[in-house]
Amino acid sequence: GQQLNQSPQSMFIQEGEDVSMNCTSSSIFNTWLWYKQDPGEGPVLLIALYKAGELTSNGRLTAQFGITRKDSFLNISASIPSDVGIYFCAGLAGNMLTFGGGTRLMVKP
Amino acid sequence: NAGVTQTPKFRVLKTGQSMTLLCAQDMNHEYMYWYRQDPGMGLRLIHYSVGEGTTAKGEVPDGYNVSRLKKQNFLLGLESAAPSQTSVYFCASGQVQYQPQHFGDGTRLSIL
Repeated sequence: GQQLNQSPQSMFIQEGEDVSMNCTSSSIFNTWLWYKQDPGEGPVLLIALYKAGELTSNGRLTAQFGITRKDSFLNISASIPSDVGIYFCAGLAGNMLTFGGGTRLMVKP
Repeated sequence: NAGVTQTPKFRVLKTGQSMTLLCAQDMNHEYMYWYRQDPGMGLRLIHYSVGEGTTAKGEVPDGYNVSRLKKQNFLLGLESAAPSQTSVYFCASGQVQYQPQHFGDGTRLSIL
């Protein structure tokens, strides 16, 4: 089946830093979705991308649909403590939505 | 607004027992989904529904059954629980097919 590789698996952030993460696959997708999950809660849909090359923002979050349609990127600008959590990408091809394994954002001690 | 509500939040079962997980949404969404989430893995789709009275298999349907008798409710059943079904189960709903928008807070299920 299709697989999505999210990178990095985890990272530490310091308040004010910009954060970048990506999602790659060997398969082509028609839609990319980005979610955030806080501990003990369900995922929350952050951004949806429908077209290759598309760049979409939601506040301090910006996501891009890769031009090859095999990848997607999420950037968080000027991170704040409440940005910690797990970020999941998901790619849709046909009627199959595949989730990546997640990128865990943590605060630097 | 309640959004998507799942009950129960926690449950411990013995192998071979049966149970039903309940999901209710108050947003009049056509599409509803059941996922399971295991450590270090993304969500995997168990079953989904494209409308009242219709259900379809997802990626990992074996050992589970579902019903959508009313538009707002989507039930997930385990007929004979197995330890491999220990997981966190999430229900979701949405307005666009195959794109879950709103998730419940999950049901943590342990099978001994």
